[in-house]
Amino acid sequence: EDKVVQSPLSLVVHEGDTVTLNCSYEVTNFRSLLWYKQEKKAPTFLFMLTSSGIEKKSGRLSSILDKKELFSILNITATQTGDSAVYLCAVEELRNTPLVFGKGTRLSVIA
Amino acid sequence: DTAVSQTPKYLVTQMGNDKSIKCEQNLGHDTMYWYKQDSKKFLKIMFSYNNKELIINETVPNRFSPKSPDKAHLNLHINSLELGDSAVYFCASSRGTVYGYTFGSGTRLTVV
Repeated sequence: EDKVVQSPLSLVVHEGDTVTLNCSYEVTNFRSLLWYKQEKKAPTFLFMLTSSGIEKKSGRLSSILDKKELFSILNITATQTGDSAVYLCAVEELRNTPLVFGKGTRLSVIA
Repeated sequence: DTAVSQTPKYLVTQMGNDKSIKCEQNLGHDTMYWYKQDSKKFLKIMFSYNNKELIINETVPNRFSPKSPDKAHLNLHINSLELGDSAVYFCASSRGTVYGYTFGSGTRLTVV
């Protein structure tokens, strides 16, 4: 069973649209949830979330965690073609255990 | 300076061969990882290693073995390569997860 489930698996939007990517998880000892962006090569770190209800924001990207309902969302406003990528959600359980990744959401932003 | 560097970037080899992928990090991180990413972009942990403990994903065939000569290096050795081993292999490192992992640029392995 997948511990980290992302939806949708793929998404096509027009420039300027706002998108919401979803990540739900089911782990026994939750420690943190992380978002990554992967373009052609290595995933790059976006956010780490540990507390419910506290929004993390970076430019047009923002993310929030709900530890009661076991999910997180990643919002991207005023999308640009450069936002096209696979967005990966990952969960850390016990300290120093490897991150468990979801299967990603492939976002395509068209002009 | 590249923080996490992997070599080679591309590797094409025949079934049955043995190959190694090297990984080095210059971040002073204490934990290193190998992930396998399939054609659908699913990243799956293979190993994590710090100077105290090797954690192996039990689903990884024993043809795969990590080798760490020191804290800054974690190499991946693969014996008797199979077609299903074709994937992109990512090395990563961390000092805890406060700042997330830093990934290498990946090694695309193609077994023919």
